[in-house]
Amino acid sequence: EVQLVQSGAEVKKPGESLKISCKGSGYSFTSYWIGWVRQMPGKGLEWMGIIYPGDSDTRYSPSFQGQVTISADKSISTAYLQWSSLKASDTAMYYCARLPYCSSTSCFNFDYWGQGTLVTVSS
Amino acid sequence: VIWMTQSPSLLSASTGDRVTISCRMSQGISSYLAWYQQKPGKAPELLISAASTLQSGVPSRFSGSGSGTDFTLTISCLQSEDFATYYCQQYYSFPLTFGGGTKVEIK
Repeated sequence: EVQLVQSGAEVKKPGESLKISCKGSGYSFTSYWIGWVRQMPGKGLEWMGIIYPGDSDTRYSPSFQGQVTISADKSISTAYLQWSSLKASDTAMYYCARLPYCSSTSCFNFDYWGQGTLVTVSS
Repeated sequence: VIWMTQSPSLLSASTGDRVTISCRMSQGISSYLAWYQQKPGKAPELLISAASTLQSGVPSRFSGSGSGTDFTLTISCLQSEDFATYYCQQYYSFPLTFGGGTKVEIK
């Protein structure tokens, strides 16, 4: 059974750093892409970026380029999303999701999703 | 960037109703469209890929149609477990984009 299990909820102060995780199991972690999707409170879904754990090839949405860093450790089947300096506007639910394939121009749809990690940034 | 207009944003319906949700693209995307269902407090779940391919385990009352710029998600006979928010998503080109969502609520 394919599973993506995300790390637990976080409460941080503005300016702090944070790294959340997404552990894949039940499939070959290095053969699929992992994407990150933001959902701000009461709002819709926004694609942030993707990574191919096999070789750490990474693509970012222009809206999130420079704002976050996506990485992966294939030895433990885990992808990460990190911030160096959080803002209150980063308060949101963050989902990781698997993508079967990506090319230089696009990807297939997301097929499996993690349960989400709620990040709250407040002074 | 491919912009997506999903309508309506809110749909009030009764159990047994046939409901239709529309997703319109700012440019043609062939059939590179997916539909997701999200229930409160839960992650989205994939319902349909390639505009009309029902995922394994998804009830047959769900169907998708369209190509190019206009797409539709239809629920033929609304059940209580279908009250949720639905999102379309294009995967024709980066950046991947989602529609704004349609909340299907009980009338």
